[in-house]
Amino acid sequence: EDKVVQSPLSLVVHEGDTVTLNCSYEVTNFRSLLWYKQEKKAPTFLFMLTSSGIEKKSGRLSSILDKKELSSILNITATQTGDSAIYLCAVDRRRDDKIIFGKGTRLHILP
Amino acid sequence: ETGVTQTPRHLVMGMTNKKSLKCEQHLGHNAMYWYKQSAKKPLELMFVYNFKEQTENNSVPSRFSPECPNSSHLFLHLHTLQPEDSALYLCASSQEGQKLFFGSGTQLSVL
Repeated sequence: EDKVVQSPLSLVVHEGDTVTLNCSYEVTNFRSLLWYKQEKKAPTFLFMLTSSGIEKKSGRLSSILDKKELSSILNITATQTGDSAIYLCAVDRRRDDKIIFGKGTRLHILP
Repeated sequence: ETGVTQTPRHLVMGMTNKKSLKCEQHLGHNAMYWYKQSAKKPLELMFVYNFKEQTENNSVPSRFSPECPNSSHLFLHLHTLQPEDSALYLCASSQEGQKLFFGSGTQLSVL
């Protein structure tokens, strides 16, 4: 059965720290891996990764995909309280356009 | 604002009630989705509509009935729900099944 596993499930750090969130997957017919940020209700899109080894960057956030290890990491540097959220990893399956989500990592940034 | 609007934001209903959730997307996408998000579980795909045709029904109980009258509108009709159906119901849209744009969700409580 296809699955996406995120770790850790929750994380508490102080403002200014750097965090690394992990996502591993076992999905047949992989097409892309996506990261979302969910603060209150609506998850908002962060990154879509399709190629191994190419880092995507947006401000203090960056992400990279390793297709050999079937995993991805999301890095956040110089964290701020506004980064507190649930970070969702999802994998898009080519054969039926189905997107499979992990349970998410709940990140809390202490001031 | 993601371009996907859901109403109502909150809903409390008894087990014998009938209610409907509404979703509208203003992005010109061809696919719309219903997801269920329960505490400590991954986002669960319920239904997918592609060009108004239902392409996925993830073994959802018949007390949930979707309706997609056109590519911009999606409904989820609810009847005789159970307390375990209490959850956040998220609507999303996409173009060609990849990046999802989510609405803010309907927080449903079944008493």
